[in-house]
Amino acid sequence: QLVLTQSPSASASLGASVKLTCTLSSGHNTYAIAWHQQQPQKGPRYLMKLNSDGSHSKGDGIPDRFSGSSSGAERYLTISSLQSEDEADYYCQTWGTGFVVFGGGTKLTVL
Amino acid sequence: QVQLVESGGGVVQPGRSLRLSCAASGFTFSSHAMHWVRQAPGKGLEWVAVISDDVSHKYYADPVKGRFTISRDNPKNTLYLQMNSLRPEDTAVYYCARQLVRGQWYFDYWGQGTLVTVSS
Repeated sequence: QLVLTQSPSASASLGASVKLTCTLSSGHNTYAIAWHQQQPQKGPRYLMKLNSDGSHSKGDGIPDRFSGSSSGAERYLTISSLQSEDEADYYCQTWGTGFVVFGGGTKLTVL
Repeated sequence: QVQLVESGGGVVQPGRSLRLSCAASGFTFSSHAMHWVRQAPGKGLEWVAVISDDVSHKYYADPVKGRFTISRDNPKNTLYLQMNSLRPEDTAVYYCARQLVRGQWYFDYWGQGTLVTVSS
């Protein structure tokens, strides 16, 4: 069964870096994912598609502060030089034949 | 620029129906598969349905299968979600989202959402 697992929460200080993790279920470590950001009271925003080899393609206007990487079944989103507007929920998402799966989301707090 | 604007949400009694619309602009609508995704209050994102660019393929999440119908009108650049036999657990903000690449079901643009509340 295709499942994405995310930690419910993370925190980091203003100006620092943070690395969020999305873990693919066993047997699915070649899957690509997408990362989406949802700021409070807003619709989601596409950040990037991240492949199993770590290559990624970002959405329009996404700053260089956002980057992605992969290792085995883990997919990472790194945000550097944290800004207050980065405080948001971050969701990873993937797909199978005929369905889409979301991770539970990570709530990022910028201290 | 790409814009997706949902409408049609509101308060509806259990068992009743509602039709959502998503007006698309700024891109060639007929070249992209489109999805509906929902978010219950205080919860995460849940995929609902997808329709291919040429209307030939439709898929649904199990909780809505048999009750919801996704459709599109390419000349009108509009996506629809017909929701029948609504239940309280269908209460959510409903988003439409554009699929960027054929065969890769991830979304590069989202609408702002429309709230559906199912309550007596």
